[in-house]
Amino acid sequence: GQQLNQSPQSMFIQEGEDVSMNCTSSSIFNTWLWYKQDPGEGPVLLIALYKAGELTSNGRLTAQFGITRKDSFLNISASIPSDVGIYFCAGQRGGADGLTFGKGTHLIIQP
Amino acid sequence: DTGVSQNPRHKITKRGQNVTFRCDPISEHNRLYWYRQTLGQGPEFLTYFQNEAQLEKSRLLSDRFSAERPKGSFSTLEIQRTEQGDSAMYLCASSLASEQYFGPGTRLTVT
Repeated sequence: GQQLNQSPQSMFIQEGEDVSMNCTSSSIFNTWLWYKQDPGEGPVLLIALYKAGELTSNGRLTAQFGITRKDSFLNISASIPSDVGIYFCAGQRGGADGLTFGKGTHLIIQP
Repeated sequence: DTGVSQNPRHKITKRGQNVTFRCDPISEHNRLYWYRQTLGQGPEFLTYFQNEAQLEKSRLLSDRFSAERPKGSFSTLEIQRTEQGDSAMYLCASSLASEQYFGPGTRLTVT
């Protein structure tokens, strides 16, 4: 099935650094969501975006809905060890539709 | 805990056997979704219910797969005549609107 293009595939960073990742699509989505998944667990919702150009924060996380509606970005500031995990973007066309996911960005933090 | 729950968490079965998984959504959520996730990939949408009606099925949902939500509350996903390619994490999510909340998943291993 279709998946979104998510980059980078993995990131090795030092604790305290800022992190940026992005997600692109060849088609338009009306909602973008960002999730974090720990090994053996289900994805946990971090941020939901509903309007093109929207910028939304959740603590140290900030996400943006691209103005073309074909991309989204997630930034994490001042990373801490518990930020380790896989981050997924997901796009949704209609409000009740199934989500289309990226392949994930694997974040690894070196102390 | 009032989140989405899934049972069992792990299932090992021999090829050719039938398996059934259960999902209990967040109690006030009328929408319920099933996804499949294989190693190194994001979740892929399988099917979706609004109350007891199954409204959408992905082409990934072969005729060996069937899902039900008989009273609009919990849902079951059955796989008949399992194949090794069915080995994956099966995730359930529920929602009232666009934001989907995932359960911990059922890890299926077909030997």
